[in-house]
Parts: sequence; structure tokens; C-alpha cells
Amino acid sequence: DGGITQSPKYLFRKEGQNVTLSCEQNLNHDAMYWYRQDPGQGLRLIYYSQIVNDFQKGDIAEGYSVSREKKESFPLTVTSAQKNPTAFYLCASSMTGLGGNTIYFGEGSWLTVV
Amino acid sequence: GENVEQHPSTLSVQEGDSAVIKCTYSDSASNYFPWYKQELGKGPQLIIDIRSNVGEKKDQRIAVTLNKTAKHFSLHITETQPEDSAVYFCAAPQFDGNKLVFGAGTILRVKS
Repeated sequence: DGGITQSPKYLFRKEGQNVTLSCEQNLNHDAMYWYRQDPGQGLRLIYYSQIVNDFQKGDIAEGYSVSREKKESFPLTVTSAQKNPTAFYLCASSMTGLGGNTIYFGEGSWLTVV
Repeated sequence: GENVEQHPSTLSVQEGDSAVIKCTYSDSASNYFPWYKQELGKGPQLIIDIRSNVGEKKDQRIAVTLNKTAKHFSLHITETQPEDSAVYFCAAPQFDGNKLVFGAGTILRVKS
């Protein structure tokens, strides 16, 4: 099946620890995105990538890092610099990064600080 | 950049009634307006979208209308059912950043 796979579904992070969320897509899409969603809130853009080996900061990039070494993969690292990382993280992709292209979402990953 | 405002934030309707959610946008160059439905603990799913060359689009019980002059678009759900209960998001593209800007979401509750 074509789609976007996020893993793990649930992740617990200790204070001061870096964690990485995986996102893989087999839709052959050029553009990929990471959004953060807090309970009862909308979607805020963390990072996005329009093409391999290139990515841009979104609205809330501080405390996060990404890489885009392969077209199908866009992992997100939540670093210890992110002071309030507990949230629902959504990966998405679109055919291109140009406005007017449909964005498709994965099923999300829950990150909790313990 | 683009600014998208969505109203209401919560909406309760009786099963069988209609529901309407409205969004306004600021970038007059925007030409693509999707609507997403998000069920609890899941990723948002695209349910309908409209491009600026049409004023209305229907898909069974769901319709979207667009008024480019007023810069607003609306989601209409008729004959609502309990399974329509979810959070709905509208969005519009921000061209200088090549990204979608989302509204804050509407929690729809359909009471049976």
C-alpha cells in the first residue's frame, strides 16, 4: 500500500535526551513536512523539505533538527533544547513543494517527556 | 504571509442536521483550499478540496464553497451522522514559503 509510515507510534523521552521520530513515504513525493500538534490545538509547521538534501525551518523549528538524505525519508530529532516536547507529531508529504499541492499525513507519533 | 482564520471552534448539531464551518484567508494569490478531518489519535485525512477556478464542489454529503472576492471558503456537511464527529481543519497555501497554512480547527460533535 502507498502511504506515509511514522514510527514509533508512542515514545517516551527522559529529560535531557534526544529522540528521533521516523517518517517514510512510498508515494514518490518530493516534498515532506513535520508538524506539531498540542492537545486541542491546530497544526504548527516545524520543518519542511522540498527536495533531497534541502530543508527549511518552519514556524517552530527551535529545539528540532531534520535531515533529508533520501527522497522517501525525513526523520525528525527532538533535541534536549526543546523544553516542552510533549505533543503529537505529524509527518506529511506532497508531490511538490509548490502551493496548490495536496498534503497527505501519516498517522502521527505521540511523544511524552517522563 | 498567509493567515487563515476558522470559525466556530466548536460546533454541536443533532444527527441529521447540517453543519457549516467557515474560513477566511489573507493572501489573494491563494488558489487551493483543502479541508481535512482528524479523528482522535490519528493523522488528518483530506476530505475535499477546491481550486479557485470553481465556486463550489460537492462530494455526496460534503460540499465546499469559495468566495474569492471576500476571501472566504466554507465546508458544508448535510445529513450529519455520529461518525462525522471529529476535528476539521481548513488550509490555504502560502506561496512565499511553498507551504500550507492551517486554520485552528473546529471540533464537530454530532449528537444522536
